[in-house]
Amino acid sequence: DSGVTQTPKHLITATGQRVTLRCSPRSGDLSVYWYQQSLDQGLQFLIQYYNGEERAKGNILERFSAQQFPDLHSELNLSSLELGDSALYFCASSAWDTSGKLFFGSGTQLSVL
Amino acid sequence: AQTVTQSQPEMSVQEAETVTLSCTYDTSENNYYLFWYKQPPSRQMILVIRQEAYKQQNATENRFSVNFQKAAKSFSLKISDSQLGDTAMYFCAFMNAYNNNDMRFGAGTRLTVKP
Repeated sequence: DSGVTQTPKHLITATGQRVTLRCSPRSGDLSVYWYQQSLDQGLQFLIQYYNGEERAKGNILERFSAQQFPDLHSELNLSSLELGDSALYFCASSAWDTSGKLFFGSGTQLSVL
Repeated sequence: AQTVTQSQPEMSVQEAETVTLSCTYDTSENNYYLFWYKQPPSRQMILVIRQEAYKQQNATENRFSVNFQKAAKSFSLKISDSQLGDTAMYFCAFMNAYNNNDMRFGAGTRLTVKP
């Protein structure tokens, strides 16, 4: 168990809908990362937050947004969903020390029908 | 931009044998981290081993070891005494040590350990 909790584990929705994925980082970790894993694109970095502030953006679509709350949990919001958004979405956390280690949650499998 | 290449989409090995997974990367940075992550059928991403670029000594973790060739930008993973539980996707990853916000992954190698 990595200590990173993601909910829900599975999500099935329709095109055009909006969903929210939730992540609770390991106790004490200030940094949260979101990744998307799809068959054609592999593992893609989406966005990172550190102590409530956006730190970096990767290949995140404008239809997607995220935030990190004062209790350090994070939410990834996906809107106007398309079939191609179907993927496994991972959250990871780190302590922002010098180790560079990321600890991953078990992911949310999103299916857009 | 940093890129990570895993040229072996699939590999197989007999139980108790040794297998080596290849990874190359491209970067202009001098200080960085390299990782191998394992993703079993449960989909959980599990850190297998980590290497700091400034350390010449190759990292080892029990049956897992790496061959880090900085000049060649190569970072291979050796699994000794392979076990059925080693069956998984293995991802090589790169992270800039000064900018811990973008871990780049390779496409992965699917390893099957055969009994």
